[in-house]
Amino acid sequence: EPEVTQTPSHQVTQMGQEVILRCVPISNHLYFYWYRQILGQKVEFLVSFYNNEISEKSEIFDDQFSVERPDGSNFTLKIRSTKLEDSAMYFCASSSQGKSTDTQYFGPGTRLTVL
Amino acid sequence: TQLLEQSPQFLSIQEGENLTVYCNSSSVFSSLQWYRQEPGEGPVLLVTVVTGGEVKKLKRLTFQFGDARKDSSLHITAAQPGDTGLYLCARSGNTGKLIFGQGTTLQVKP
Repeated sequence: EPEVTQTPSHQVTQMGQEVILRCVPISNHLYFYWYRQILGQKVEFLVSFYNNEISEKSEIFDDQFSVERPDGSNFTLKIRSTKLEDSAMYFCASSSQGKSTDTQYFGPGTRLTVL
Repeated sequence: TQLLEQSPQFLSIQEGENLTVYCNSSSVFSSLQWYRQEPGEGPVLLVTVVTGGEVKKLKRLTFQFGDARKDSSLHITAAQPGDTGLYLCARSGNTGKLIFGQGTTLQVKP
């Protein structure tokens, strides 16, 4: 069964460093998403992406964040200058149609630890 | 507000017991999804409910969407240890963006 994959599974970085989190969505999907989950808190939407453009972003997704689909398979989330409060699980998701009733398939997540 | 409030936050029961978790909002939503998340993994979709009053069953899980489409419930019959996990409700916007509730952590003890 097709699945969303994410690398690395765990990333440790120093405050102020740049990190790139990678995701490989399901191959025929066109809509891509990033969410984050701070330990003990709820899953929060960061950004949605379609047709090489951001469709919607949350207040969390400030100028320190960017997303890119550098090739036909990868979807990346870059944090330019990490802060302690960026420590969280980051989940990538993809869907085929982007509708409200569509199924989003989530990856296993990347645990980001900022020291 | 578009917040989703789930209750209870934590639930610890014995194998074989029944349970119900709730998802409430002051807003009407066009559809609602229930997810299950296990430690170290991403959420996995269980069901999508669309029509007010709709009831969907998935083996021992029964999902109900309120008539006014402001609330939903998940009922598990004869819970098993394998049901242990975090149960999340979520509503979806036009761009597919999901807004999650804070979740109900369920522990089923053998």
